[in-house]
Amino acid sequence: DAGITQSPRHKVTETGTPVTLRCHQTENHRYMYWYRQDPGHGLRLIHYSYGVKDTDKGEVSDGYSVSRSKTEDFLLTLESATSSQTSVYFCAISASSTNEKLFFGSGTQLSVL
Amino acid sequence: SQQGEEDPQALSIQEGENATMNCSYKTSINNLQWYRQNSGRGLVHLILIRSNEREKHSGRLRVTLDTSKKSSSLLITASRAADTASYFCATRHASGGSYIPTFGRGTSLIVHP
Repeated sequence: DAGITQSPRHKVTETGTPVTLRCHQTENHRYMYWYRQDPGHGLRLIHYSYGVKDTDKGEVSDGYSVSRSKTEDFLLTLESATSSQTSVYFCAISASSTNEKLFFGSGTQLSVL
Repeated sequence: SQQGEEDPQALSIQEGENATMNCSYKTSINNLQWYRQNSGRGLVHLILIRSNEREKHSGRLRVTLDTSKKSSSLLITASRAADTASYFCATRHASGGSYIPTFGRGTSLIVHP
């Protein structure tokens, strides 16, 4: 299995608080992605990174920011959590942006009350 | 919006039967991939088919790609109870200098023993 660790695995927080989710990889892959998974919507891309300090927005980026200060870590921050951000968040990595498959972490279940 | 859409949304079959899932997409792609997700887990890559390929096999899996119809199908032959999972197609389409992996909503497959 690819070395991807998401932390925390579960998080309960209150509306309006900032939350940071961490994705750590040991594969030295260049590309990292944050997705959210909701019933009826499948997986939707929030942000992705194509290198250290190189990030871009995905389909549902509003209310989220990311940072990648080193190859192995990709952080997702909910600046002021809202109930609509209650979801399961998945990190994924790939070696390239073309034909390489994605490897997924185990997910973070986030509940915003 | 999602690039790929799976059909059907849910599929229930008996062990030993074949399961067929379809994926339709909207714009030209670099490749199409199928993933499997067991309940409460991250996605696992099953098979990748490139835009210049028409069919690919991997064990009990058979994937076809019809770029003229912008569609793909995943066939699981001689299904087993352990095949119970959600199946997602993912396409990579060009966005700026990167190819962004985009997922459909998935097909939920239940295989009854």
